[in-house]
Amino acid sequence: NAGVMQNPRHLVRRRGQEARLRCSPMKGHSHVYWYRQLPEEGLKFMVYLQKENIIDESGMPKERFSAEFPKEGPSILRIQQVVRGDSAAYFCASSREAGTVTEAFFGQGTRLTVV
Amino acid sequence: ELKVEQNPLFLSMQEGKNYTIYCNYSTTSDRLYWYRQDPGKSLESLFVLLSNGAVKQEGRLMASLDTKARLSTLHITAAVHDLSATYFCASRGGSEKLVFGKGMKLTVNP
Repeated sequence: NAGVMQNPRHLVRRRGQEARLRCSPMKGHSHVYWYRQLPEEGLKFMVYLQKENIIDESGMPKERFSAEFPKEGPSILRIQQVVRGDSAAYFCASSREAGTVTEAFFGQGTRLTVV
Repeated sequence: ELKVEQNPLFLSMQEGKNYTIYCNYSTTSDRLYWYRQDPGKSLESLFVLLSNGAVKQEGRLMASLDTKARLSTLHITAAVHDLSATYFCASRGGSEKLVFGKGMKLTVNP
Protein backbone atom coordinates (compact mmCIF):
# COMPACT_ATOMS: atom_id res chain seq x y z
CA ASN A 1 0.00 0.00 0.00
CA ALA A 2 1.85 3.01 -1.28
CA GLY A 3 1.89 6.08 0.91
CA VAL A 4 0.99 9.61 -0.10
CA MET A 5 2.86 10.35 -3.31
CA GLN A 6 3.95 13.83 -4.22
CA ASN A 7 5.74 14.96 -7.33
CA PRO A 8 7.97 16.45 -8.23
CA ARG A 9 10.16 16.23 -5.14
CA HIS A 10 12.09 19.31 -6.16
CA LEU A 11 10.92 22.10 -8.44
CA VAL A 12 12.80 25.15 -9.58
CA ARG A 13 10.92 28.00 -11.21
CA ARG A 14 11.88 31.46 -12.34
CA ARG A 15 9.92 34.40 -11.02
CA GLY A 16 6.70 34.80 -12.97
CA GLN A 17 6.39 31.16 -14.01
CA GLU A 18 3.73 28.74 -12.87
CA ALA A 19 4.31 25.88 -10.44
CA ARG A 20 2.12 22.79 -10.41
CA LEU A 21 2.46 20.40 -7.49
CA ARG A 22 0.78 17.01 -7.52
CA CYS A 23 -0.43 14.81 -4.71
CA SER A 24 -1.85 11.29 -4.96
CA PRO A 25 -3.46 10.27 -1.66
CA MET A 26 -3.14 6.87 -0.10
CA LYS A 27 -5.44 4.21 -1.47
CA GLY A 28 -8.87 4.53 0.07
CA HIS A 29 -8.29 8.09 1.25
CA SER A 30 -10.66 10.73 -0.03
CA HIS A 31 -9.50 13.73 2.00
CA VAL A 32 -6.47 15.77 1.00
CA TYR A 33 -4.77 18.60 2.85
CA TRP A 34 -2.02 20.92 1.66
CA TYR A 35 0.46 22.55 4.03
CA ARG A 36 3.36 24.91 3.46
CA GLN A 37 6.56 24.89 5.49
CA LEU A 38 8.94 27.80 5.41
CA PRO A 39 12.55 27.19 6.54
CA GLU A 40 12.84 26.67 10.28
CA GLU A 41 9.06 26.96 10.69
CA GLY A 42 6.18 24.65 11.41
CA LEU A 43 3.65 23.64 8.82
CA LYS A 44 0.91 26.09 7.93
CA PHE A 45 -2.45 24.82 6.70
CA MET A 46 -3.42 25.96 3.23
CA VAL A 47 -6.42 24.02 1.96
CA TYR A 48 -8.56 20.95 2.63
CA LEU A 49 -10.23 19.15 -0.25
CA GLN A 50 -12.43 16.17 -0.86
CA LYS A 51 -13.09 14.77 -4.29
CA GLU A 52 -14.31 17.64 -6.48
CA ASN A 53 -14.89 19.89 -3.47
CA ILE A 54 -12.91 22.49 -1.60
CA ILE A 55 -13.92 22.20 2.04
CA ASP A 56 -11.68 24.80 3.66
CA GLU A 57 -9.33 27.17 1.87
CA SER A 58 -8.86 29.57 4.75
CA GLY A 59 -5.08 29.22 4.60
CA MET A 60 -4.71 29.88 0.89
CA PRO A 61 -3.40 33.25 -0.25
CA LYS A 62 -6.20 35.07 -2.06
CA GLU A 63 -4.22 35.55 -5.26
CA ARG A 64 -2.11 33.30 -7.46
CA PHE A 65 -2.83 30.09 -5.51
CA SER A 66 -5.46 27.52 -6.38
CA ALA A 67 -6.09 23.87 -5.60
CA GLU A 68 -8.23 21.12 -7.00
CA PHE A 69 -8.93 17.46 -6.38
CA PRO A 70 -10.72 16.09 -9.43
CA LYS A 71 -12.83 12.98 -9.55
CA GLU A 72 -10.01 11.20 -11.33
CA GLY A 73 -6.34 11.87 -10.81
CA PRO A 74 -4.20 13.58 -8.23
CA SER A 75 -4.82 16.73 -6.29
CA ILE A 76 -3.07 19.74 -7.81
CA LEU A 77 -1.77 22.83 -6.06
CA ARG A 78 -1.14 25.54 -8.61
CA ILE A 79 0.87 28.68 -7.99
CA GLN A 80 0.76 31.26 -10.74
CA GLN A 81 3.37 33.95 -11.32
CA VAL A 82 5.63 32.64 -8.58
CA VAL A 83 7.68 35.02 -6.45
CA ARG A 84 10.72 34.38 -4.28
CA GLY A 85 8.54 34.31 -1.16
CA ASP A 86 6.79 31.21 -2.52
CA SER A 87 9.97 29.20 -2.00
CA ALA A 88 9.08 26.60 0.60
CA ALA A 89 8.35 22.93 1.12
CA TYR A 90 4.77 22.02 0.26
CA PHE A 91 3.39 18.94 1.95
CA CYS A 92 0.27 17.04 1.13
CA ALA A 93 -1.51 14.81 3.61
CA SER A 94 -4.42 12.45 3.19
CA SER A 95 -6.88 10.76 5.47
CA ARG A 96 -9.59 8.17 5.09
CA GLU A 97 -12.48 10.19 6.44
CA ALA A 98 -13.24 13.06 8.74
CA GLY A 99 -14.94 13.18 12.10
CA THR A 100 -13.75 9.85 13.44
CA VAL A 101 -10.49 8.50 14.72
CA THR A 102 -8.42 9.55 11.81
CA GLU A 103 -4.81 10.16 11.18
CA ALA A 104 -3.36 12.19 8.38
CA PHE A 105 -0.41 10.71 6.55
CA PHE A 106 2.04 13.05 4.93
CA GLY A 107 3.81 12.80 1.61
CA GLN A 108 7.49 13.47 1.08
CA GLY A 109 6.84 17.04 0.06
CA THR A 110 7.73 19.19 -2.93
CA ARG A 111 10.50 21.66 -2.35
CA LEU A 112 9.88 24.69 -4.50
CA THR A 113 12.70 27.09 -5.20
CA VAL A 114 11.97 30.32 -7.02
CA VAL A 115 15.00 31.92 -8.62
CA GLU B 1 -8.45 30.82 16.65
CA LEU B 2 -6.45 27.81 17.71
CA LYS B 3 -2.81 28.46 18.52
CA VAL B 4 -0.23 25.83 19.38
CA GLU B 5 2.95 26.67 21.25
CA GLN B 6 5.91 24.44 21.91
CA ASN B 7 8.73 24.89 24.30
CA PRO B 8 11.57 24.75 24.21
CA LEU B 9 12.20 25.38 20.52
CA PHE B 10 15.80 24.18 20.68
CA LEU B 11 17.26 21.52 22.94
CA SER B 12 20.74 20.11 23.12
CA MET B 13 21.14 17.20 25.48
CA GLN B 14 23.59 14.47 26.30
CA GLU B 15 23.01 10.86 25.48
CA GLY B 16 21.50 8.97 28.36
CA LYS B 17 19.68 11.95 29.83
CA ASN B 18 15.95 12.45 30.26
CA TYR B 19 13.93 15.47 29.26
CA THR B 20 10.33 16.62 28.84
CA ILE B 21 9.09 18.97 26.15
CA TYR B 22 5.79 20.79 26.24
CA CYS B 23 2.98 21.62 23.87
CA ASN B 24 0.22 24.05 24.82
CA TYR B 25 -2.84 24.76 22.74
CA SER B 26 -5.25 27.61 23.14
CA THR B 27 -8.73 26.22 22.55
CA THR B 28 -10.57 23.02 23.20
CA SER B 29 -9.51 20.24 20.86
CA ASP B 30 -10.29 16.56 20.77
CA ARG B 31 -6.94 15.28 19.60
CA LEU B 32 -3.26 16.03 19.73
CA TYR B 33 -0.59 14.77 17.39
CA TRP B 34 3.16 14.42 17.68
CA TYR B 35 5.32 14.20 14.58
CA ARG B 36 9.01 13.80 13.95
CA GLN B 37 10.80 15.41 11.02
CA ASP B 38 14.36 14.71 9.92
CA PRO B 39 16.14 17.39 7.85
CA GLY B 40 14.79 17.51 4.32
CA LYS B 41 12.27 14.78 5.03
CA SER B 42 8.56 14.46 5.55
CA LEU B 43 6.70 14.15 8.83
CA GLU B 44 6.60 10.82 10.59
CA SER B 45 3.62 10.28 12.85
CA LEU B 46 4.65 9.39 16.39
CA PHE B 47 1.49 9.60 18.50
CA VAL B 48 -2.18 10.49 18.28
CA LEU B 49 -3.70 11.35 21.66
CA LEU B 50 -7.47 11.34 21.80
CA SER B 51 -8.63 11.76 25.37
CA ASN B 52 -7.81 13.38 28.65
CA GLY B 53 -5.18 11.42 30.49
CA ALA B 54 -4.12 9.50 27.40
CA VAL B 55 -0.57 8.20 27.59
CA LYS B 56 1.26 6.46 24.77
CA GLN B 57 4.78 5.11 24.66
CA GLU B 58 7.01 4.01 21.84
CA GLY B 59 10.58 3.14 22.64
CA ARG B 60 12.25 6.03 24.44
CA LEU B 61 9.39 8.44 23.82
CA MET B 62 6.25 8.82 25.88
CA ALA B 63 3.47 11.29 25.18
CA SER B 64 0.60 12.37 27.40
CA LEU B 65 -2.39 14.65 27.12
CA ASP B 66 -4.16 16.82 29.69
CA THR B 67 -7.15 18.35 27.95
CA LYS B 68 -8.16 20.41 30.97
CA ALA B 69 -4.80 22.14 31.04
CA ARG B 70 -4.62 22.07 27.22
CA LEU B 71 -1.18 20.59 27.54
CA SER B 72 0.66 17.68 26.02
CA THR B 73 4.10 16.50 27.00
CA LEU B 74 6.66 14.40 25.18
CA HIS B 75 9.08 12.73 27.54
CA ILE B 76 12.42 11.47 26.32
CA THR B 77 14.05 8.71 28.33
CA ALA B 78 17.77 7.93 28.08
CA ALA B 79 18.25 9.88 24.89
CA VAL B 80 20.29 8.45 22.04
CA HIS B 81 21.78 10.20 19.03
CA ASP B 82 19.16 8.71 16.68
CA LEU B 83 16.51 10.80 18.38
CA SER B 84 18.03 13.98 16.96
CA ALA B 85 15.31 15.55 14.81
CA THR B 86 12.65 18.23 14.93
CA TYR B 87 9.51 17.33 16.87
CA PHE B 88 6.19 18.96 16.10
CA CYS B 89 2.95 18.85 17.98
CA ALA B 90 -0.31 19.68 16.27
CA SER B 91 -3.88 20.07 17.36
CA ARG B 92 -6.98 19.79 15.27
CA GLY B 93 -8.62 23.04 14.32
CA GLY B 94 -11.85 23.54 12.46
CA SER B 95 -12.73 21.46 9.39
CA GLU B 96 -10.12 18.82 10.15
CA LYS B 97 -7.11 21.05 9.55
CA LEU B 98 -4.09 20.59 11.80
CA VAL B 99 -2.52 23.59 13.50
CA PHE B 100 1.16 23.00 14.17
CA GLY B 101 3.56 24.37 16.70
CA LYS B 102 6.86 25.79 15.47
CA GLY B 103 8.68 22.59 16.31
CA MET B 104 11.44 21.69 18.72
CA LYS B 105 14.84 20.96 17.24
CA LEU B 106 16.50 18.29 19.34
CA THR B 107 20.20 17.52 19.20
CA VAL B 108 21.47 14.59 21.21
CA ASN B 109 25.22 14.71 21.75
CA PRO B 110 27.36 11.63 22.36
